[in-house]
Amino acid sequence: DAGITQSPRHKVTETGTPVTLRCHQTENHRYMYWYRQDPGHGLRLIHYSYGVKDTDKGEVSDGYSVSRSKTEDFLLTLESATSSQTSVYFCAISESIGTGVRGYTFGSGTRLTVV
Amino acid sequence: QQQVKQSPQSLIVQKGGISIINCAYENTAFDYFPWYQQFPGKGPALLIAIRPDVSEKKEGRFTISFNKSAKQFSLHIMDSQPGDSATYFCAAFTSGTYKYIFGTGTRLKVLA
Repeated sequence: DAGITQSPRHKVTETGTPVTLRCHQTENHRYMYWYRQDPGHGLRLIHYSYGVKDTDKGEVSDGYSVSRSKTEDFLLTLESATSSQTSVYFCAISESIGTGVRGYTFGSGTRLTVV
Repeated sequence: QQQVKQSPQSLIVQKGGISIINCAYENTAFDYFPWYQQFPGKGPALLIAIRPDVSEKKEGRFTISFNKSAKQFSLHIMDSQPGDSATYFCAAFTSGTYKYIFGTGTRLKVLA
């Protein structure tokens, strides 16, 4: 998927444990995003990054933190996983595709189950 | 805060029929409207997109109809095929920003 790799693809974890999801890109894009996908809610933005060490919150950021120490890697951490964080997580990059317009490319997702 | 409302939530269409998915938005600053297609186990992928200076865009069997005054846009899939069975998301974007606003998705099933 356009040089975006998410790991792991599947994970089951216990409530209260920390979890880190990784997104790796080979495209050298500046903007990266983490979304979660849930039935009835579509895709909701958790956090995004506009450069190394530059990140900002999305609409559902509570309980999540991110880090970006290198252009190619964007990490999403659940500090203390809860059952409400059971979801499919997608990483995306965006690139300029026209005047002021950006196009998104998504990774294949990580299915996280918190038991 | 739902700025893009998508309907229906699910849709079943016979092979060869027309699938229609609708989206409505509120923010008049949006100026780019893409549709994404997602197959099970995959990430969403760009299908077709439109800017508000045109009322229709067609790519093969897929057409976006855009009504700027009503703040609505829709995806039409002509001659729907079982291979079109997927989840479809509309989205909206404002030039100069960096975030899409997505609709809640429509699960389409095309019966053979």
